[in-house]
Amino acid sequence: DIQMTQSPSSVSASVGDRVTITCRASQVINTWLAWYQQKPGKAPKLLIYAASTLQSGVPSRFSGGGSGTDFTLTINSLQPEDFAIYYCQQANSFPFTFGPGTKVTFK
Amino acid sequence: EVQLLESGGGLVQPGGSLRLSCSASGFTFSSYAMSWVRQAPGMGLEWVSAISPGGSPDYADSVKGRFMISRDNSKNTLYLQMSSLRAEDTAVYYCARPPRPTYCSGGSCYSDGWFDPWGRGTLVTVSS
Repeated sequence: DIQMTQSPSSVSASVGDRVTITCRASQVINTWLAWYQQKPGKAPKLLIYAASTLQSGVPSRFSGGGSGTDFTLTINSLQPEDFAIYYCQQANSFPFTFGPGTKVTFK
Repeated sequence: EVQLLESGGGLVQPGGSLRLSCSASGFTFSSYAMSWVRQAPGMGLEWVSAISPGGSPDYADSVKGRFMISRDNSKNTLYLQMSSLRAEDTAVYYCARPPRPTYCSGGSCYSDGWFDPWGRGTLVTVSS
């Protein structure tokens, strides 16, 4: 199975900051990677797919990059509604696997 | 409007069984692969199982041999039959769909492996 890791596990930031989250796969997954945002008590929301494609309706301050094994999610100019947990997920092969999550909290 | 609505969760004793359902509306259900993803209380996301439009299943190792995914395209409904339940199966179970329908080319079919939309989830608690 492909293992996914994320760093940091948590980050404290202020409104207007730029936040970058890193995700690493245990083997090459090309660009078969997605990023999700989850808020308490809610289902995850797809932000980015194919490593860098913004899902329809997602603000342009979110961007994704990377390929192979190393990926990033960047939030430019953090907004109050962005405080949440972010997960990466590999979609290269079954079983699909998620990273452990990165919690973005208010500084 | 695309909607996924899970049902069937509840409290079950260890070793027991439960069947979850996911009722789909607002799209051509038979054209999409579907998945179940779960989240234990306070924990991260775990993909559980997927099924192709034609009914071909895949499972996480943690549930293989105990859970069975199925679908009824005539009823626009996805199912997850869970048996030999364990305490570690306690979680919110989400039904999820990829953004695009499965597409076929050259005799092979492909489904996106990411998910949007998701249902609201149904809580399964395994406890005595």
